[in-house]
Amino acid sequence: NAGVTQTPKFRILKIGQSMTLQCTQDMNHNYMYWYRQDPGMGLKLIYYSVGAGITDKGEVPNGYNVSRSTTEDFPLRLELAAPSQTSVYFCASSYPPGSEGEKLFFGSGTQLSVL
Amino acid sequence: KQEVTQIPAALSVPEGENLVLNCSFTDSAIYNLQWFRQDPGKGLTSLLLIQSSQREQTSGRLNASLDKSSGRSTLYIAASQPGDSATYLCAVNDDYKLSFGAGTTVTVRA
Repeated sequence: NAGVTQTPKFRILKIGQSMTLQCTQDMNHNYMYWYRQDPGMGLKLIYYSVGAGITDKGEVPNGYNVSRSTTEDFPLRLELAAPSQTSVYFCASSYPPGSEGEKLFFGSGTQLSVL
Repeated sequence: KQEVTQIPAALSVPEGENLVLNCSFTDSAIYNLQWFRQDPGKGLTSLLLIQSSQREQTSGRLNASLDKSSGRSTLYIAASQPGDSATYLCAVNDDYKLSFGAGTTVTVRA
């Protein structure tokens, strides 16, 4: 059982470049999330999705875009990368809050540097 | 806006000592609270989830309590081992989204 899989694990971008961080889960979870983690800080929610075709902004959405065409996949797109987007990005998934098994499952993260 | 605070930011104890990690949050209207473990360079692993109607949850050497009215949760780790060295984060779910604390980094000395 793979759980939540993120690719790539590491990436260096130049300012102004674009890229897509991939996330896929095989647990049939409705809810999927993208977080970023800066050193010494808690995780900040970028975007989330409650099901295929439904996405919504989190706390820090500027500079990012998402799509959710299937239950399994939730890619995060960075357009015009900026140094402020240097961070570790985590994808996560879960069943809806209040349901059995609502624990959050995380991928292993993508370390992104924008230079 | 929910604010989650974890104090202390770092903790170092000798092996065998019990660990007490604190988490406080500002808005008591929560669905649940989760404690996570994060190892360096890795993702987060959920340790315990406490529903808003519960007072505590236990798993092996881990016990987490929740006092929703005062906005506090405590994670107890009994008889600590070097393998318990990691960063522990708490997160509260108050609007179908989790708000995280910055974590407590624990070092257990052999």
